[in-house]
Amino acid sequence: KAGVTQTPRYLIKTRGQQVTLSCSPISGHRSVSWYQQTPGQGLQFLFEYFSETQRNKGNFPGRFSGRQFSNSRSEMNVSTLELGDSALYLCASSLRQGSTEAFFGQGTRLTVV
Amino acid sequence: SQKIEQNSEALNIQEGKTATLTCNYTNYSPAYLQWYRQDPGRGPVFLLLIRENEKEKRKERLKVTFDTTLKQSLFHITASQPADSATYLCALEGQAGTALIFGKGTTLSVSS
Repeated sequence: KAGVTQTPRYLIKTRGQQVTLSCSPISGHRSVSWYQQTPGQGLQFLFEYFSETQRNKGNFPGRFSGRQFSNSRSEMNVSTLELGDSALYLCASSLRQGSTEAFFGQGTRLTVV
Repeated sequence: SQKIEQNSEALNIQEGKTATLTCNYTNYSPAYLQWYRQDPGRGPVFLLLIRENEKEKRKERLKVTFDTTLKQSLFHITASQPADSATYLCALEGQAGTALIFGKGTTLSVSS
């Protein structure tokens, strides 16, 4: 079956702009989590959605938001981009919440200039 | 605050030896601990999951231990191969409904 698909793979944006990233989970998976990965901070948890509801949220400013649709696809949005938002954004899907492996997409490489 | 520490950023070993990676945590009571492998430019890939009431779990050349008293997990790769070179991440999860939180990872290099 198809894996987790993230689009776009690469993105270059200017400071102050906003961006929307998309994640299509594995068919049947209802939990989607987003992570930001940078060389200095590693994988940092952004938020998790399950059945269209945000269940957990990491310690990121309100400029970072997300949503999940009824087909479990998820989007995350970053407004008023800053240089420090340059990172690899990873999406992971799971069959359910808790005690189960997470399947990651290839990520979206965002560069803010 | 919750903290996950992986013993070192980089570990270099020779082919055939056993690689041992350490994951320590503080201010956390995980119900599950997972290990992932990440290759450059790719997303992490799940390797093993161990529950709080399990002491050890094995899968082929991989072995994970989980000591909730020491608040530590050890990840072993026996008979290591150059193809095992990658970054290995440990991740903790509380009771169902809590987020999966990752350590910064240890980059393993296996030389032939």
